[in-house]
This record gives sequence, C-alpha cells and structure tokens, in this order.
Amino acid sequence: SQTIHQWPATLVQPVGSPLSLECTVEGTSNPNLYWYRQAAGRGLQLLFYSVGIGQISSEVPQNLSASRPQDRQFILSSKKLLLSDSGFYLCAWSRPDRGTSPLHFGNGTRLTVT
Amino acid sequence: AQKITQTQPGMFVQEKEAVTLDCTYDTSDQSYGLFWYKQPSSGEMIFLIYQGSYDEQNATEGRYSLNFQKARKSANLVISASQLGDSAMYFCAMRESGGFKTIFGAGTRLFVKA
Repeated sequence: SQTIHQWPATLVQPVGSPLSLECTVEGTSNPNLYWYRQAAGRGLQLLFYSVGIGQISSEVPQNLSASRPQDRQFILSSKKLLLSDSGFYLCAWSRPDRGTSPLHFGNGTRLTVT
Repeated sequence: AQKITQTQPGMFVQEKEAVTLDCTYDTSDQSYGLFWYKQPSSGEMIFLIYQGSYDEQNATEGRYSLNFQKARKSANLVISASQLGDSAMYFCAMRESGGFKTIFGAGTRLFVKA
C-alpha cells in the first residue's frame, strides 16, 4: 500500500530564517506531487505541483520554491521566511493520470513564523 | 475559470440523523472530477468520495453519497446516520480532466450533537 510521510509536524521559525519541508511517498512510482498551504480556518491553496523529477510548476511563486530531486521526494523551501508564510502546509500525491485520481495527503506541517 | 463554492460555514446535526453539505462548482470543461475530503481537528485530509462528470449514477461510499446534479453544477455530500466522529471540516474539490490542479472550496464545519 502507498504511504506518504511529511516532516516536521510543527515548526516555529523566526522571520528571515530559511525553511525546508520534506515529503516522501512509498509504494508507488512516478506519482504526481503537490504542496498546498492552508491558512487558519480556510480552504487549501495550491503552491506547487510536479509530474516528474526536476519538473516543478508554480502556482503562487512568492518567496517559496519547490524541488523534486528524486521520484518520490518533494521539498518545499524558502531562503527567508515572512510572517505571511505562517500556515499549515500539506504535501499530497496522486496517481499519474489526469482528472480522476484523488489526492492523498500527508499529516501536514504547522509552520509559525515569529 | 474553475471555482468551488461552499455556502455553509457551519452545520449542526443530531447523532444518527442524515445531513447534506452543499457544494456548487463552475467550470467550462465538460470533463472533470469532483471530490470530497474530511479534515478532523488533527489536520489530516481524508479522501471520502469521487464523482466523474460523465458518471450517470451518484457515487456512494458506505455512509457517504454524492448528490450530483450536473445541470445545476452541484455536488452535495450526504452523510447518513451521523456519528460523533463525523465532526470535522469537509471540503469539496474539483479537477478538470487533463489538468493537474485540484481546487478546493472554503469548507463546511460539521458539528454532530449527541
């Protein structure tokens, strides 16, 4: 069966510090990978998605970036965090088909920028 | 452009009763998929049910069913025999076939009363 791991679960970082969130998927090959952000009490906003190694599409560039160094590894980064980067970050994967495959989410990272 | 609208910020239901959570969507595509997800207070996103735009029958998964009215562009979630564990946020989502981007509504918070 497929599993998705995301860490850390919580993170408190000062403004201006770097960020690295990591997500790995097991039990499937060539998944589509996604990073979403959820503000408190709100819906999910797509940040990045990837359909293959090194292929990243950005929906909300801002000061965040994503990388996919391996087939089942997806990393969300920032060089300098802003207060507005606080939120709940969710990594997800789906089968590499289009349209019908649901997203399967990790447990999320709650980021607080102070 | 795609859009998902959930007009009920919060809903209350008595335990063992049925409840309907509303979702309307907007898309110019003829082929798309509709999804419902549950988010308990722990934060994880759990996939519940899927409906394809060309599916003639309403989707069902255990106590969950999707009331799909294509002409009205609505995809309401029906939860039968509510349980205390159903208390959570519920998100309606859509992805156009041939696309990678799943968009989410703002969510409905469901409270199940004993």
